[in-house]
Order: sequence, then C-alpha cells, then structure tokens
Amino acid sequence: EAQVTQNPRYLITVTGKKLTVTCSQNMNHEYMSWYRQDPGLGLRQIYYSMNVEVTDKGDVPEGYKVSRKEKRNFPLILESPSPNQTSLYFCASSREWKVTEAFFGQGTRLTVV
Amino acid sequence: QKEVEQNSGPLSVPEGAIASLNCTYSDRGSQSFFWYRQYSGKSPELIMSIYSNGDKEDGRFTAQLNKASQYVSLLIRDSQPSDSATYLCAVMEYGNKLVFGAGTILRVKS
Repeated sequence: EAQVTQNPRYLITVTGKKLTVTCSQNMNHEYMSWYRQDPGLGLRQIYYSMNVEVTDKGDVPEGYKVSRKEKRNFPLILESPSPNQTSLYFCASSREWKVTEAFFGQGTRLTVV
Repeated sequence: QKEVEQNSGPLSVPEGAIASLNCTYSDRGSQSFFWYRQYSGKSPELIMSIYSNGDKEDGRFTAQLNKASQYVSLLIRDSQPSDSATYLCAVMEYGNKLVFGAGTILRVKS
C-alpha cells in the first residue's frame, strides 16, 4: 500500500529535550516536505526536499532541522523544543517538485511543556 | 509575505445544493493551484489541481481559476453530508513553496 508513515503519532516532551519525528514514504517520491498546522493559521511549510541531499527552508524553519540521506526518509529534528512548537505536524511526499499529487502522513501531535 | 486567503466559514449548505468555496492569492507568479479536503483529526487529501485559467471538472467537483483576478474557487455539486470537512486552498509559489490558506469549514445539512 502506498503510504507516508510518521512516528510517533503523539508526543509530549519538555522544553529543551531534543526530539526527532520520523517520516518515511514507499512510493519512490522525490519531493518531501514538513508542515505544521495551527488553528487559524492553516498549514505552514517548515522545510522541503527536492531529492536526496537537497533541502531548503519553507516559511517557518526556525527551530527545526531536517536531513535527506535516503530518498524514502525525511526526519524532522527539534534540537531544543520550545512551547511555541506545540502543534500538529504533517509530512508529505510528491512524485516530483511540481506537485501533482501530495500524499500526507497521518500527522504527529506534539506538545512541548 | 505571500498569502492565500480563504473565508473561514463555516459555510452551511443543504444536502443536494451547490457549495461554493473561494480563495484568493497574492503571488502573481504562482502557476499551480490545489484544493485539499481535511476531515477533523485527519490528514489533508488532494481532491483537485488546476494549472490554467478556466474550469476543470472531476465528478461532482469543479475547480475554477482566474489568474488575472488571482482567484481560485471550488464548486461541489449535489453536496452530501460526507462532504462536510475543512477545504484547504494551496498555491505553489515561485520557488517551490506550497502555501496553504487557513481553510473553509463546510457543513452539509441533511
């Protein structure tokens, strides 16, 4: 089954404790991206990657890191989480940079206390 | 800051009616436009994409694009209670950034 898998689905952590949210796709897609979704603000792009070893900032990259060492994986790293990073996070992938159809993961609800 | 604007709603329509959802965008260089549907607690799913001016129909859905007016719309004919969801407009800006509107809540009443 074609899918984008995120883990964990739910996470509660404390300020400053490094965490990683994993994202994996099995469709051999080139384009992957991370979004956060906050009430009233919609989905905002954090980082995106057009292919292996190619990443770039989205609209809200501060406080986040990503890497793309393999085509299928695109982890999101929060080196020192803060409460303003409490949000719902989605990973998405597309066949190519010109997004024709984007597949979203199930979402990760992160709470930083 | 480039923006994509949507009326937050909720937009309430009776079952069987046409639901009309609207979206405006600020980046004149945008070339690709998308409508996503998001059920509460779920991830967004792509329902329509449109790249050129005019109408694009897919089943009960019609997307309309007017680049001169920087306006995108989604029409849902014969609305069903199962269409009740949040509809997100997304615009691919120059530079490969996909920018989403905040979404319009649609409620279809039976």
